[in-house]
Amino acid sequence: AQSVTQLGSHVSVSEGALVLLRCNYSSSVPPYLFWYVQYPNQGLQLLLKYTSAATLVKGINGFEAEFKKSETSFHLTKPSAHMSDAAEYFCAVRTDSNYQLIWGAGTKLIIKP
Amino acid sequence: GAGVSQSPSNKVTEKGKDVELRCDPISGHTALYWYRQSLGQGLEFLIYFQGNSAPDKSGLPSDRFSAERTGGSVSTLTIQRTQQEDSAVYLCASSSRQGTEAFFGQGTRLTVV
Repeated sequence: AQSVTQLGSHVSVSEGALVLLRCNYSSSVPPYLFWYVQYPNQGLQLLLKYTSAATLVKGINGFEAEFKKSETSFHLTKPSAHMSDAAEYFCAVRTDSNYQLIWGAGTKLIIKP
Repeated sequence: GAGVSQSPSNKVTEKGKDVELRCDPISGHTALYWYRQSLGQGLEFLIYFQGNSAPDKSGLPSDRFSAERTGGSVSTLTIQRTQQEDSAVYLCASSSRQGTEAFFGQGTRLTVV
């Protein structure tokens, strides 16, 4: 069975600091992996996705994530946080054999001035 | 359509009344998902459709909740005899057979008073 674990329900960083949001998954077959962002009072928007091409995936707003099979991880990073990055971030996994999306619990990113 | 459309965007109902929430997925998308997001909480999976059938309805919280999808397109989530704990944002998403990511609607904010 697939599962997704996001470490830390809340992450707080200073403006300009590195953002690191952690996501670990379990899957018995090669997965598709996603990061979505939800700004306050809005729907979910795709940030980036891994679909078995390059292991380093670049997304919108300067975010990127690296697929590490050996660590079963897909952590989200951004070199320099901006106040506008404050939002909730969700990691999800899906396999080719099953259209079901499995979601992490979400991480709320707080940016300190 | 151009995106996933949900209606109504807001619904206030009295406790004990029935409500219907509608989701219009992106044209051609075979997979459709319903989620619930309570205040400050993550995504709670409700039900997943592949075409008109629901391979996984394990997330429906009680028998007051039901959903159907007709013509492989529009889906309706029905909540009977609403309770205050049903108050939440109900999100719909769709994805294609060929594509991988899910596209979300803006949600329906349900308030039971």
